[in-house]
Amino acid sequence: AQKITQTQPGMFVQEKEAVTLDCTYDTSDPSYGLFWYKQPSSGEMIFLIYQGSYDQQNATEGRYSLNFQKARKSANLVISASQLGDSAMYFCAMREGRNTGNQFYFGTGTSLTVIP
Amino acid sequence: GAGVSQSPSNKVTEKGKDVELRCDPISGHTALYWYRQSLGQGLEFLIYFQGNSAPDKSGLPSDRFSAERTGGSVSTLTIQRTQQEDSAVYLCASSGDRANQPQHFGDGTRLSIL
Repeated sequence: AQKITQTQPGMFVQEKEAVTLDCTYDTSDPSYGLFWYKQPSSGEMIFLIYQGSYDQQNATEGRYSLNFQKARKSANLVISASQLGDSAMYFCAMREGRNTGNQFYFGTGTSLTVIP
Repeated sequence: GAGVSQSPSNKVTEKGKDVELRCDPISGHTALYWYRQSLGQGLEFLIYFQGNSAPDKSGLPSDRFSAERTGGSVSTLTIQRTQQEDSAVYLCASSGDRANQPQHFGDGTRLSIL
């Protein structure tokens, strides 16, 4: 089974609107971390936000928030007030275990286009 | 430097030649990862180093690919007898030793095999 599933190959959103990018994960480890990365057309991978499996509250970083539903094993990224510069590929990733340096698993990504 | 450094940024070579790609991780990061990304695609895991442990080589696509990490710092990914299907962007990332620490990526090496 896929560790990380992103079911939306492409998404469109109107500028200034909010958008949700879906991510579901599969693990039997009670301890894990979830990460979202942004990859603009220039190619660099930019870390956006982190959610730990034991965190009681949803993570937020500026216009980014993570809708963490542990029972459903979903960690959707919400971008509020979309900007043209948000157009990019977005990758969800998971890191299992309490131990240091465990492997990261990435989803296939969602391409977001912000329409003026 | 402050970030992950990869060199060269671009490499064009003829089919059949060997290439070496270099990654200089963030100082103090114990984990180092190599990925391959074809145009418009996701990340394909290649190999992972963690401290002094044996590397996880499970993602290497063939025995033409190898990597080493010297002194727990700089890593070199070597592709022998390159093929056209090896053309891609090769990304290196490093991370700290806590599970909640993200990977930090270099800008990648764009490899083109003629």
